[in-house]
Amino acid sequence: ETGVTQTPRHLVMGMTNKKSLKCEQHLGHNAMYWYKQSAKKPLELMFVYSLEERVENNSVPSRFSPECPNSSHLFLHLHTLQPEDSALYLCASSQVLGLASYEQYFGPGTRLTVT
Amino acid sequence: KQEVTQIPAALSVPEGENLVLNCSFTDSAIYNLQWFRQDPGKGLTSLLLIQSSQREQTSGRLNASLDKSSGRSTLYIAASQPGDSATYLCAVRGTSGSRLTFGEGTQLTVNP
Repeated sequence: ETGVTQTPRHLVMGMTNKKSLKCEQHLGHNAMYWYKQSAKKPLELMFVYSLEERVENNSVPSRFSPECPNSSHLFLHLHTLQPEDSALYLCASSQVLGLASYEQYFGPGTRLTVT
Repeated sequence: KQEVTQIPAALSVPEGENLVLNCSFTDSAIYNLQWFRQDPGKGLTSLLLIQSSQREQTSGRLNASLDKSSGRSTLYIAASQPGDSATYLCAVRGTSGSRLTFGEGTQLTVNP
């Protein structure tokens, strides 16, 4: 596998379910990101992990819980979601050196539908 | 708060035409600007990255320019092809942190 991979690619879940999205990067990067893309809205940054430490939480509801066990893996744990959480969830990675942050590379996304 | 606007929202052109996509941002204090391509239901593919100190970047038929002082960038696509049909996204990175702020994108259709 190369680049950034995400599983599952599609997910349908009820509002009472608990599920997790997985992201893995094979680029040797040290920063990973979760973005949400809703219809007709710009991509919204949800979380940033740099050097395995969460450095940014962009006012995301607590029903979304990120986990970054190491620099190559990133999870997004989901519980008691709402229908408006249906969206494409994109993972990205980049190399960060001090204040310099290089190109972000994106995975194919997980299409989430909450029923 | 940084805001990024892309015009037009949608564009349809015949094959072979040269075209320009526009991106504007409200805060000129940026670290870099990145253009992406997104195919329907897919992730983003990075096309070009322009550092704040640069004026333009070229890759094949693509040329991106940056005028930081006026808060504008353009993506020029030469000799467009049907395979260029996609949504093109512009994103800027501020001078602190690694956050990217995205525009809503321009949906391009190149007709054979």
